[in-house]
Amino acid sequence: GEDVEQSLFLSVREGDSSVINCTYTDSSSTYLYWYKQEPGAGLQLLTYIFSNMDMKQDQRLTVLLNKKDKHLSLRIADTQTGDSAIYFCAEGGMDTGRRALTFGSGTRLQVQP
Amino acid sequence: DVKVTQSSRYLVKRTGEKVFLECVQDMDHENMFWYRQDPGLGLRLIYFSYDVKMKEKGDIPEGYSVSREKKERFSLILESASTNQTSMYLCASSILPTGLRAGANVLTFGAGSRLTVL
Repeated sequence: GEDVEQSLFLSVREGDSSVINCTYTDSSSTYLYWYKQEPGAGLQLLTYIFSNMDMKQDQRLTVLLNKKDKHLSLRIADTQTGDSAIYFCAEGGMDTGRRALTFGSGTRLQVQP
Repeated sequence: DVKVTQSSRYLVKRTGEKVFLECVQDMDHENMFWYRQDPGLGLRLIYFSYDVKMKEKGDIPEGYSVSREKKERFSLILESASTNQTSMYLCASSILPTGLRAGANVLTFGAGSRLTVL
């Protein structure tokens, strides 16, 4: 079945860039997503990328997709303490025939002041 | 904005009790989901529904059932709660997409229900 893997923890200093990595197994995935979960809250969508794209940029966020290696990354520029959260990578899309997303284990980002 | 509301943020139940977790969305979404979140395991899909009275098993349906009698409401039922069902439960919904991004499936999540089974 589908599998999505992420490292569990990342610590950076305020002002540095953060890079959160994700690998997935389903080569039919046409959409990949990044969600953010702040303490005590549900998940909120940060961004998603279509598989025919290599990169997508949205303000401080840059998503890179290497479809050949099934590798996705999320770069946060000028990381702030408010970016401390758990970040989930997910894959899936209606055109794969699957209505539900498959999520990774989440990467807890800790931003040191 | 789409709002997904989970009726209980925190519940404490005893082993063997029947537990109902309710979820309501207000944007006429076709799809609704129940996930379970555990540290180090991420989100695991329990059940989902793509229409009223329709349901499909996810990856970990054992010990759970669901009900979708109305489009806006999706209930998760633990028939006989056990301690290994202590977890955070997340409900989500999504629209059946159309147009240029017809394949994208953007889920909107509720705030979660933290269940402790003693």
